[in-house]
Amino acid sequence: QSVLTQPPSVSAAPGQKVSISCSGSSSNIGNNYVSWYQQFPGTAPKLLIYDNNKRPSGIPDRFSGSKSGTSATLGITGLQSGDEADYYCGTWDSSLSAGWVFGGGTKLTVL
Amino acid sequence: EVQLVESGGGLVKPGESLRLSCAASGFTFSTHSMNWVRQAPGKGLEWVSSISSTSSTTYYADSVRGRFTISRDNAKKSLYLRMRSLRAEDTAVYYCARDFAYGIDVWGQGTTVTVSS
Repeated sequence: QSVLTQPPSVSAAPGQKVSISCSGSSSNIGNNYVSWYQQFPGTAPKLLIYDNNKRPSGIPDRFSGSKSGTSATLGITGLQSGDEADYYCGTWDSSLSAGWVFGGGTKLTVL
Repeated sequence: EVQLVESGGGLVKPGESLRLSCAASGFTFSTHSMNWVRQAPGKGLEWVSSISSTSSTTYYADSVRGRFTISRDNAKKSLYLRMRSLRAEDTAVYYCARDFAYGIDVWGQGTTVTVSS
């Protein structure tokens, strides 16, 4: 059971927009920045969003992040077949057992 | 090129030990906190441990605290994970990963640890 809750899967057609939610608590999302990662099978995760809504260089602006309270959302517009991957949210948890926490991952299917 | 390369994975029996290494290149290693993150077969990401840039602070997941030890050698630009009393549930791909702002921006290719009798 992951500390952060994500939907197991989402799907949408090419060109459409999709949102992936990430729910946490006051000890993690509520008081820390959220990051998002994209992972293709057999490869390492790749940073898509950091500090809630910032994109590293090279990440297209089709990817966006937002945070409100204890939840965060990854948005992807203009879906492409190459976006089909697993997506994870992550943040620091400031509880007694401090450390990084991740969501269980969301499988994005481009129909 | 910024790069992290893990090594040291392998097949071990339950109760045995293993030491993972991560060689960093292309950036100032000594200024970044570093992490180990693992991924069991078919599962999601699980954070294992973090160490500050000067080794002054370390953090561990409850599942490994007391069995795993994270360390670093800034002169050698290397990160380590000493794993003892390994269990079947420690079987995973272990990634070395660099902290950046409030994210993890550089990941190694991973090294596979299999714990099986």
